[in-house]
Amino acid sequence: QITLKESGPTLVKPTQTLTLTCTFSGFSLSTSGVGVGWIRQPPGKALEWLALIYWNDDKRYSPSLKSRLTITKDTSKNQVVLTMTNMDPVDTATYYCAHVDIVATAWGQGTMVTVSS
Amino acid sequence: EIVMTQSPATLSVSPGERATLSCRASQSVSSNLAWYQQKPGQAPRLLIYGASTRATGIPARFSGSGSGTEFTLTISSLQSEDFAVYYCQQYNNWPIFTFGPGTKVDIK
Repeated sequence: QITLKESGPTLVKPTQTLTLTCTFSGFSLSTSGVGVGWIRQPPGKALEWLALIYWNDDKRYSPSLKSRLTITKDTSKNQVVLTMTNMDPVDTATYYCAHVDIVATAWGQGTMVTVSS
Repeated sequence: EIVMTQSPATLSVSPGERATLSCRASQSVSSNLAWYQQKPGQAPRLLIYGASTRATGIPARFSGSGSGTEFTLTISSLQSEDFAVYYCQQYNNWPIFTFGPGTKVDIK
C-alpha cells in the first residue's frame, strides 16, 4: 500500500522560505518510471502542479514558479523535499505530495500553509 | 503551456441520473488525459487515466472518452458519494502537468 505524508510549517511570514517534506512508503524512488510530485490548492480554488522529481533525478518545475522552487530527493530516507523561496500571501494553500507513475496515483493528505505576517 | 478548460463549472444532477462533464485542451494532448475526484476536505483521487482507463478500484459507472483536445467524463448513474469536484489533467506536454479549473457536481 502506497502512503505519503507532508510535513512542514503551518505558518510562514512573507519573504521567508518554505520547506516541505514528503515522507512516503510502499514504493521506492529508485524504481524506473516512478516520481514524486508537489501540487497545491489555494482555499476554494483549483489544483496547481508545482514540481516533480523522477527516479533518475530528472526534475520538472512549473514555468511560472521555477525561479522560486527546488525539489530534491533522499532515496534512502524515502523523502522528497520542496523549497519555495520568497513566500507571499497568495501562496497560502494546501500543499500535497503525490506518487507519480505516469499520473498521480496516490496522494498525501495535504498540509495547509498560511503566509501571513 | 497547455491550458485546460472544463465545462460546466457546476452541474446539478439528481441521484440516479447521468452526468456528463467536458474537458478541453488548448492543443492536442493525445490520450494523455486523467480525471480526478475531490471531495471536501480530502485529497484528490485518480479516477481515469489514458483518457478512458479506470484506475484500480474505480466503479464501472465512471467512464472516460475522447482524444486530442476534447474529452468527456461520464457518470452513468450518480450515487450520493459521487457529489464532488472533478478535475481533468493533461500529462502530455512538459515541463509540467496542468489541471483544469474543475467541475462541481452537486445535488439537484
